[in-house]
Amino acid sequence: AQSVTQLDSHVSVSEGTPVLLRCNYSSSYSPSLFWYVQHPNKGLQLLLKYTSAATLVKGINGFEAEFKKSETSFHLTKPSAHMSDAAEYFCASDTGRRALTFGSGTRLQVQP
Amino acid sequence: NAGVTQTPKFQVLKTGQSMTLQCAQDMNHNSMYWYRQDPGMGLRLIYYSASEGTTDKGEVPNGYNVSRLNKREFSLRLESAAPSQTSVYFCASQVPSGVPETQYFGPGTRLLVL
Repeated sequence: AQSVTQLDSHVSVSEGTPVLLRCNYSSSYSPSLFWYVQHPNKGLQLLLKYTSAATLVKGINGFEAEFKKSETSFHLTKPSAHMSDAAEYFCASDTGRRALTFGSGTRLQVQP
Repeated sequence: NAGVTQTPKFQVLKTGQSMTLQCAQDMNHNSMYWYRQDPGMGLRLIYYSASEGTTDKGEVPNGYNVSRLNKREFSLRLESAAPSQTSVYFCASQVPSGVPETQYFGPGTRLLVL
């Protein structure tokens, strides 16, 4: 069965410094992978997705993620954090049944 | 386009009461989903509907029922609410495709069961 592990429940960075949110997946096949962002009291919004095309995926708001099959990882990065990036981030994988399985989330805090 | 809408936004129930959470989408999506979100556990799939007239259980279906009323609407019913069902419930929809596509989420329903 597919599973997703987000390695950090909370990440704190200073504004203008790089962001790294880590996600590992477990799957018997090469899955499709997603990163979603959730701002307080809001629904989830797609940041980016990987569907077996280019391994480096660019998303909205300057975020990108790299699919590394050898490491079963799909880490989310951004070169320079902005205050508006403070939110909760979820990594997700397709289950092969048109549904998604989500990680437990990483709360990103951005310090001024 | 309103996207995915959910009603109500917030609800308080007493143990044993019943209620129905409503979800509608105006994007002509075939597939719709209900998730619950609990602290530290991410989102877990309750039920989904791949197309009008079909529903399937997800990871945590116990205590819930669903109805795919038509292509636009997918409701979630709690017949006898329990405190363990206190959660935030999200509805989502997805374009009709054989490959994993973007899911679009509603704003959520916060449910408190006393």
